[in-house]
Amino acid sequence: EADIYQTPRYLVIGTGKKITLECSQTMGHDKMYWYQQDPGMELHLIHYSYGVNSTEKGDLSSESTVSRIRTEHFPLTLESARPSHTSQYLCASSPPASGQGSNEQYFGPGTRLTVT
Amino acid sequence: KNQVEQSPQSLIILEGKNCTLQCNYTVSPFSNLRWYKQDTGRGPVSLTIMTFSENTKSNGRYTATLDADTKQSSLHITASQLSDSASYICVVSDRGSTLGRLYFGRGTQLTVWP
Repeated sequence: EADIYQTPRYLVIGTGKKITLECSQTMGHDKMYWYQQDPGMELHLIHYSYGVNSTEKGDLSSESTVSRIRTEHFPLTLESARPSHTSQYLCASSPPASGQGSNEQYFGPGTRLTVT
Repeated sequence: KNQVEQSPQSLIILEGKNCTLQCNYTVSPFSNLRWYKQDTGRGPVSLTIMTFSENTKSNGRYTATLDADTKQSSLHITASQLSDSASYICVVSDRGSTLGRLYFGRGTQLTVWP
């Protein structure tokens, strides 16, 4: 079982609020990712990081921002939440690429965000 | 355009029965293909991984096959259990990315009835 944690698991907030979704992993992985997933749809990469002080935007445009000050921590922030941000947010991490196991990503349990 | 297509979109079977889920992909250059199981409200968990040279891989009651020539994979579940109810996601990795980019299918929602 992967040691990657996300909090909160569920969040219901009003429009305009600032929120931060937490993600932590204890495996010492350099690469970390944030995905957005709507019901019945595929995961979309919104942010990723190669390591400390490295952050990049993913394939899906997102109004959220991320930071990577410590290896184990990769929080995602929405400055002003809107109903269109309602979704499930999944955090993942992966070890350095090595043979068959390369690109293996370990996922957290996700945060279900509802913006009213 | 999604490069990983799965079928069926949803499936209902009775406990104890077998089923097969399909995955077609166009990701290139191909590195490996994984099947993930995602329980409702949880993150995906890897079931199997196959590289180009492998055409079958088993994990308990789960058996995955890969035909790299036709770019097709299947996941066969034997003697289904109620706990098999979940979304099964086909994920393909390309060889050209240092990021470890993954391409996700939309999943097959499997429901096992008692």
